[in-house]
Amino acid sequence: QVQLQESGPGRVKPSQTLSLTCTVSGASIRNRDYYWSWIRQPPGKGLEWIGYIYDTGNTYYNPSLKSRVNLSMDTSKNQFSLNLNSVTAADSAVYYCARVKLVEVPSWFDTWGQGTLVTVSS
Amino acid sequence: QSALTQPASVSGSPGQSITISCTGTSNDVGYYEYVSWYQQHPGKAPKLLIYDVNNRPSGVSHRFSGSKSGNTASLTISGLQAEDEADFYCSSYTTRSAWVFGGGTKLTVL
Repeated sequence: QVQLQESGPGRVKPSQTLSLTCTVSGASIRNRDYYWSWIRQPPGKGLEWIGYIYDTGNTYYNPSLKSRVNLSMDTSKNQFSLNLNSVTAADSAVYYCARVKLVEVPSWFDTWGQGTLVTVSS
Repeated sequence: QSALTQPASVSGSPGQSITISCTGTSNDVGYYEYVSWYQQHPGKAPKLLIYDVNNRPSGVSHRFSGSKSGNTASLTISGLQAEDEADFYCSSYTTRSAWVFGGGTKLTVL
């Protein structure tokens, strides 16, 4: 059974960098049938796709966040990570990591982590 | 990229059927057969409900079904049950190699 678990600080100060890690169990992040993604949800609002990473580190990002986002992978630990810099209160959200099934293109988010709330506050 | 358009809320009585629409553009919903739907109960992570427009993952009730016509996808829930009450999100891959979600629809079972 595939499981994803987010970890990282629950509070980040404005202008600093938000860093989260997703640990995957029950599947290898080197499996080329899947991509690995981050999605966030501000309190009381909808879902926003942040980006995904695949293979040995190829990435695609939401254009609205591209200048501030970096995703990375650590295959030795079966983890992938999110860094979002220059954060503001608008970046406060529940952050989810998710596995993306690859068909001809990345097709659907089949497994999600439980989510972790990050609050941007001084 | 703009979010897909969903109604903010829908409601129905137990046993009834409801449909949630999801309208995009020719660059996302209208281009690919990769529309998916997610159900989210309060305080929980989203759960995959429908993939590839009209396919259900193992374990998802046959009461949930999906369809698509042009730039609009739809999720139909038949035989409404109290436990169906949740938020529902559609999503689509786009021609810009990105993903876009709908704004979400809150389902109330009366």
